Parts: sequence; C-alpha cells; structure tokens
Amino acid sequence: DTEVTQTPKHLVMGMTNKKSLKCEQHMGHRAMYWYKQKAKKPPELMFVYSYEKLSINESVPSRFSPECPNSSLLNLHLHALQPEDSALYLCASSQEGSRFEQYFGPGTRLTVT
Amino acid sequence: AQSVTQLGSHVSVSEGALVLLRCNYSSSVPPYLFWYVQYPNQGLQLLLKYTSAATLVKGINDFEAEFKKSETSFHLTKPSAHMSDAAEYFCAVRDIIQGAQKLVFGQGTRLTINP
Repeated sequence: DTEVTQTPKHLVMGMTNKKSLKCEQHMGHRAMYWYKQKAKKPPELMFVYSYEKLSINESVPSRFSPECPNSSLLNLHLHALQPEDSALYLCASSQEGSRFEQYFGPGTRLTVT
Repeated sequence: AQSVTQLGSHVSVSEGALVLLRCNYSSSVPPYLFWYVQYPNQGLQLLLKYTSAATLVKGINDFEAEFKKSETSFHLTKPSAHMSDAAEYFCAVRDIIQGAQKLVFGQGTRLTINP
C-alpha cells in the first residue's frame, strides 16, 4: 500500500477564517512533507518533518502552521490567508536514507476569498 | 545544491509514436533521480526512480529512463504513446538539506497526445 490520504479535497475559506488540512499515511514512513502548487508550476516545498520534528521550513509565512501529532499524521493549520495563497496543497511521505522515494497524496484544492 | 532542467515545456506526439521527455541534472554527489506524472487536479504519481543501480530503469505504464552520467541526463521514454499518457511530467533529483532529504523538481513538461 503506497497511499497518502488528504482531507478535505476542496476548501473555500475567507481571509479571517481558521481551517486545517489533514494528511495521513500508514506506510511507516518517518518523513512527511507539505508542498504548495500553483497552476502550471512544479510543487514548491513548504515544510519537512523528519521523525516528527520540523527539519525544514522554507521561509513560509506564519499564517501557515504545520503540526505532526505522530508519525502517521501531518496537519497544516491555516489562519488569515491571502487570496494569493489559493493553490493545490500536496502532502507527501518517504522513507529515510537510501530507500528514499516520495509518495504524494491527491491534494487539497484551497480557494481563499 | 542539486538541480534539474527539463528541456521543452510542452511536447506533442501522435498516438502510437515514441515519447521522449528530456531531463538534465546537476548534482555534486551521485544522484537519486525520479520521474513523476501528474494528471489534472491530482497528486503526483511516481513513474520510476534511479538510485545508482541499473542505468536503464523501467517504470509503470511501459515508461523507462536511462541514466547517462557522461551526459548528466535522465530522459524518459515510452515506445508507443497512448491517449491516457496526456499529463504533466516532472523530473526531480534528491537533495539533502540540514540532514533532511527533499526533492528538487524541474519546471515540468506537458505531454499532449494527438489522435
């Protein structure tokens, strides 16, 4: 099983709302990732968690707040977003070390109004 | 830092024709290289990967790629295109930053299949 699940599939939120994106994997992977993808562009890395600790923050604005409650779950908390934050948000997971290969979820299509 | 360059943002082939998508990489260490496919409004699906074993890598859906160190290339091919192959394709190389592994993506190539 190489499945990464994400909820919700679609999300529309106002600029004053607080919402969360959720990601789950049961492959025993110890690294999890959040990406943002705009139309016709490659995914842009936002955060990397390794063994449930934040390893990389690619200078993401504080209105995006990641959380890794355990090795299978990854959340992205959203607050006071801007319309330019509208995008496809992808979660991924991978093994560490020489068995590295990333598996992606289907994404959450976020629209900020 | 590692990087990849995909030559051609848009490739168009006829159904049944050879598919060739080009990727060149830059890496200061032996690279891990990947090809992903993305269908509209979906996540990325791993097609194949190279991690320093056989230089000719076979993937899903009859895709394959050949690692050529002398040319720093990892081009993706498929002998006979099918309409269902129409999608966006991304080449990627592994990078290691602050002890964590990440992917560095090329800009992508949109593949169109003509009937």
